[in-house]
Parts: sequence; C-alpha cells; structure tokens
Amino acid sequence: NAGVTQTPKFRVLKTGQSMTLLCAQDMNHEYMYWYRQDPGMGLRLIHYSVGEGTTAKGEVPDGYNVSRLKKQNFLLGLESAAPSQTSVYFCASSAARGNQPQHFGDGTRLSIL
Amino acid sequence: SQQGEEDPQALSIQEGENATMNCSYKTSINNLQWYRQNSGRGLVHLILIRSNEREKHSGRLRVTLDTSKKSSSLLITASRAADTASYFCATDSGGSNYKLTFGKGTLLTVNP
Repeated sequence: NAGVTQTPKFRVLKTGQSMTLLCAQDMNHEYMYWYRQDPGMGLRLIHYSVGEGTTAKGEVPDGYNVSRLKKQNFLLGLESAAPSQTSVYFCASSAARGNQPQHFGDGTRLSIL
Repeated sequence: SQQGEEDPQALSIQEGENATMNCSYKTSINNLQWYRQNSGRGLVHLILIRSNEREKHSGRLRVTLDTSKKSSSLLITASRAADTASYFCATDSGGSNYKLTFGKGTLLTVNP
C-alpha cells in the first residue's frame, strides 16, 4: 500500500521560477492538506481540501495556490518562488470528518536560491 | 499560531528508561493526537485521545489528557534506540472543518 506519495522528493529552484508539487493518496480520503515544516516552527498548514473540487486557506497561504481536480490528488503550486519558501513540504490526508488521524507523505525538500 | 506546545524541546535518555513528553494547549479541543517523525520522513500517527477520555494505552505508549489544565503527556516505557525521533502533539479544536494544529515537537534521543 502506497498511502500518500509526494513528487518530487527534492527540488532546487531559482527565485522567480514556478513549480508544482504533487500529492497522491490511494486511501479514498476526503480531506487533504499541505503543510510546511521549518526549523523551530513545527508544521504550519498552508492550504487544505475537504473534498474533490474544494480548497481552503490555512495558516500561511500567501504565495501558494492549490487545486483538487481529482479526489486522490492535491497539487501545491508556487507561481513565483521566493527564498522564504525554502522549506520541507508535507502532504497529508484523512478520512471524512470524525476524529480521524492524518496520514503523511515523506515530504518534498525545496530550496529556493 | 501554534496551539500545542511540547515540553521539553529535547530529551536524551538511555535505552530501557522511560520517556515523558508534555503538551500544553490554549483553547478547548475535541481531541488531541500524538505523532512521531523519524529523521527525513513524514509524520506517523501514534495515538488519539478524545476530550472525554483521561488515559489511553497503545503498546508501550501511554497518553493522558487533563482538559482542566489543558495539557497532555506521552509516556514511552522501556525505550529503545528505534524510538529516537521527534514527537508532536496536535489538537483538533472542532469547527466546520477537520484541521489539526501541531506543536513544535520534542526531539527524543535514546542512547544504546
């Protein structure tokens, strides 16, 4: 069972470039999330989705866009990368609302030069 | 903003000893969850405790919840080198959407 798969695992970008991070889950979960993890800051929620075709802002949404065109996929886009977006990005998913745990991918390590 | 705050930030113990980590939070919650993160990997769910529960066990893990003090503790008994990881608490404060708010974590090192 793959669970949550993130692509790519590593990426280096130059300031101003754009890219899309892909998250795929095979558990038929309704809820999906994008977090960033920075040293000393813990995990911060960027955007989330409560079902196919829906998205919502989290704690730190600026500079990011997301799309959930298919239930199993959740895409995170950086339109114009900035050094402040250097981070480790984690995708997670969970079953429909009801005290369910989140399942995480292994992260994408992104460096913006 | 961070809801849960773990204490201590780092903990180093010998194999076989018990490890206790604490989590404090600020607002009322529906449930509190603990996660483990090994270096370079994603978070793995360990245990969930609901607001009407006071204690929960899972293998060598014991979690307590004191809603009057807005705090939780995670006890790992008979620790092993493989328990070396960061541990995070996460709170669900309810509302219309299912979101968790994570603390900054406790780095546990178990020395062989």
